[in-house]
Amino acid sequence: GESVGLHLPTLSVQEGDNSIINCAYSNSASDYFIWYKQESGKGPQFIIDIRSNMDKRQGQRVTVLLNKTVKHLSLQIAATQPGDSAVYFCGIDSWGKLQFGAGTQVVVTP
Amino acid sequence: GAVVSQHPSRVICKSGTSVKIECRSLDFQATTMFWYRQFPKQSLMLMATSNEGSKATYEQGVEKDKFLINHASLTLSTLTVTSAHPEDSSFYICSASRAETAMNYGYTFGSGTRLTVV
Repeated sequence: GESVGLHLPTLSVQEGDNSIINCAYSNSASDYFIWYKQESGKGPQFIIDIRSNMDKRQGQRVTVLLNKTVKHLSLQIAATQPGDSAVYFCGIDSWGKLQFGAGTQVVVTP
Repeated sequence: GAVVSQHPSRVICKSGTSVKIECRSLDFQATTMFWYRQFPKQSLMLMATSNEGSKATYEQGVEKDKFLINHASLTLSTLTVTSAHPEDSSFYICSASRAETAMNYGYTFGSGTRLTVV
């Protein structure tokens, strides 16, 4: 299975700056990757996804990069806003089962 | 869009009692449903995978007799925490998936259930 962190690292970013959140995975058979945002007390909210046959995908203010060679993906958020403050998780699909990475707490400061 | 309804959102129960959590896909048929548990400041941990009409598959370390999963229809899965103890207090989240195409799966999450065992 995927590694699961025992604590959440925190990324503090100034409003208007870009954020980069990273995720490492271990299963080379993983073929579908999803980034989620989770606010306190709520379920995960879909942000963007990418399949293993791609290395980059862009959405509105977000970009996901996938490096299968080193089993790493990242989420870039452009012009981070206060509403982006949340915990971000990567979801990794292996054989139709979704598991989550450790997560990163993003704190946007004015 | 796809919507998954999870109920209740919060529940407090006494130690030794059982609690049932429901997960419903409202506008689609979920071929598979997943149950996760999340402790404070931690990631979501997959507990089990259930397919309609068959027994759930539990992840290593998850007691199947403790966490009973029933997936009786394509729109409803239930998780029953039996003989709950304070250490079972957690945030439980369900997810429903469907095969949209041969190469793409959609996962939709419920809003979670905060279980507190006293």
